[in-house]
Amino acid sequence: QSALSQPASVSGSPGQSITISCSGTSSDVGRYNLVSWYQQHPGKVPKLMIYEVSKRPSGVSNRFSGSKSDNTASLTISGLQAEDEADYYCCSYAGSGTGVFGGGTNLTVL
Amino acid sequence: EVQLVESGGGLVQPGGSLKLSCAASGFTFSDSAIHWVRQAPGKGLEWVARITRKTYNYATTCAASVKGRFTISRDDSRNTGYLQMNSLKTDDTAVYYCTRDPGTAGADWYFDLWGRGTLVTVSS
Repeated sequence: QSALSQPASVSGSPGQSITISCSGTSSDVGRYNLVSWYQQHPGKVPKLMIYEVSKRPSGVSNRFSGSKSDNTASLTISGLQAEDEADYYCCSYAGSGTGVFGGGTNLTVL
Repeated sequence: EVQLVESGGGLVQPGGSLKLSCAASGFTFSDSAIHWVRQAPGKGLEWVARITRKTYNYATTCAASVKGRFTISRDDSRNTGYLQMNSLKTDDTAVYYCTRDPGTAGADWYFDLWGRGTLVTVSS
């Protein structure tokens, strides 16, 4: 199972919106609505930000939103804040009881 | 407090074995699926293995990279999950995280609670 494809880095200025893509195949992202997104600050434990493509856990800011089109999922962060600077990972169910993560995207807030 | 606490990591030689534990507290452990996710130094996250809850027959699966070497298990009476790692390779060096999956459908494939991780170093 190959890792999902994410851009290595994205950047944006405070207040702007950015979108991180997560490209998979018709066997994972395209087939199941089981895509989740995680935020990881340096030296910290990953935190769930989005699950089942577009659902937000309690306590996660509504500035974070998720979507999917065909084999590509996306995480959008609106009203960018300095605290959003972190690594972001997507994850998808890949069938047969297995999962796959993306390679991760480093977000820089300029 | 709702938490997962991993233990059992350490330094092991290539070809050796190690058993990681994941102690849960503050929630009904038996209602959740459990996954192990690892992160090599400076690298991204990698899904390793999953075990469902009893309702789904404690079904287990693992990544191709560890198949035949790693075994996931759980003891609901002890609120503890395990990862038995055999025939370890240098590529297995990573922080291993235990994670909770609500498991309402066997496994929901999202991880809403993470432990702090335990470091496994495979080196001679």
